[in-house]
Amino acid sequence: DGGITQSPKYLFRKEGQNVTLSCEQNLNHDAMYWYRQDPGQGLRLIYYSQIVNDFQKGDIAEGYSVSREKKESFPLTVTSAQKNPTAFYLCASSIQSQGAGYGYTFGSGTRLTVV
Amino acid sequence: GENVEQHPSTLSVQEGDSAVIKCTYSDSASNYFPWYKQELGKRPQLIIDIRSNVGEKKDQRIAVTLNKTAKHFSLHITETQPEDSAVYFCAAYSGAGSYQLTFGKGTKLSVIP
Repeated sequence: DGGITQSPKYLFRKEGQNVTLSCEQNLNHDAMYWYRQDPGQGLRLIYYSQIVNDFQKGDIAEGYSVSREKKESFPLTVTSAQKNPTAFYLCASSIQSQGAGYGYTFGSGTRLTVV
Repeated sequence: GENVEQHPSTLSVQEGDSAVIKCTYSDSASNYFPWYKQELGKRPQLIIDIRSNVGEKKDQRIAVTLNKTAKHFSLHITETQPEDSAVYFCAAYSGAGSYQLTFGKGTKLSVIP
């Protein structure tokens, strides 16, 4: 069953702690993305990667870090520098093309709460 | 870069009526326009998309229209049902910029039984 898997579904973070959200896809997509969604809000881009071993900052990258060592995996670390991390985090992937666009496939999300 | 504006931010319709959500984009090089539906607590899911060489596309009760000259595109839902209640996002892909989708801020559609 092809798709994109995020884990865990729920995550609790203590003040000053780093946490890592997992995102794995078996769709053979080159591009992967991380979005943050706050209640009643739209999708804000944190980081994206269009090829292995390369990634770019999105609109709200401060306090977050990523790696892209494998095509299938794009983990997101929420660091202690992110002062308000409570949100719903969505990972997505897509075919990468510089000509025609393609839709994104989204994971089911991780809900992060600071306790 | 690309900028996508989406209106309205909230929309309430009676069951059986039609709903229309409109988006405008700024980059004339944009060539792909998907629409996503996100139910509460769930992932956004692609419901319909259109490419710039097509003016209209229909899939059962859902249709999308594109006006390249005016740089706007719209989602039309006919014979709305309670299960259509969700947040809808439009997006535009620019083939001459960052090669990624730019999303609108979303429209919360409520279908009243």
